Amino acid sequence: GAVVSQHPSRVICKSGTSVKIECRSLDFQATTMFWYRQFPKKSLMLMATSNEGSKATYEQGVEKDKFLINHASLTLSTLTVTSAHPEDSSFYICSARVGSMGAQYFGPGTRLLVL
Amino acid sequence: QQQVKQSPQSLIVQKGGISIINCAYENTAFDYFPWYQQFPGKGPALLIAIRPDVSEKKEGRFTISFNKSAKQFSLHIMDSQPGDSATYFCAASIGQAGTALIFGKGTTLSVSS
Repeated sequence: GAVVSQHPSRVICKSGTSVKIECRSLDFQATTMFWYRQFPKKSLMLMATSNEGSKATYEQGVEKDKFLINHASLTLSTLTVTSAHPEDSSFYICSARVGSMGAQYFGPGTRLLVL
Repeated sequence: QQQVKQSPQSLIVQKGGISIINCAYENTAFDYFPWYQQFPGKGPALLIAIRPDVSEKKEGRFTISFNKSAKQFSLHIMDSQPGDSATYFCAASIGQAGTALIFGKGTTLSVSS
């Protein structure tokens, strides 16, 4: 299957700092990538849909100024958590879709801990 | 409003047994139904997926059964193994519209040896 990578896998930061998470499709081009957040023992919550070369579409309740998404190329999308606070601590997972109706493949996730 | 309802929340199966997880959806526009397997601390991995033009799809020990009229689909894991112990998520999307996946709440499967 298609491979999606995420970097870093884990990050610890101080409250008030910004953290950037990278999501890359390694062996295919992804016109659409998605960012999810997952709390312990919970399902995946869609944060935003990212289309290459255009602005991301955020789900209701997700602050676009806090969670900045950039999809500059067909293989890279980034999520920046700005001015992170302890409540932003979570497991962030990206996914990339193969083609317009294709399967969606997930990255390994990034564990963010804000102290 | 939860668009994809998944049950049971947790499941314990003996090694060699059949694990069955069910999902029901509400939006008749959904046309893509995947199942994902997730281990702790890892991202979900695509197991198997089905589109509504077929009623069953089998890949190895994993089978999806799909009932369009009842708006239900299920995952069957044959000959369940301890290594299958994980959380399973069903999902649905409108493929033609390129929408994001809507996930069920997940089922934690434990296969006892």
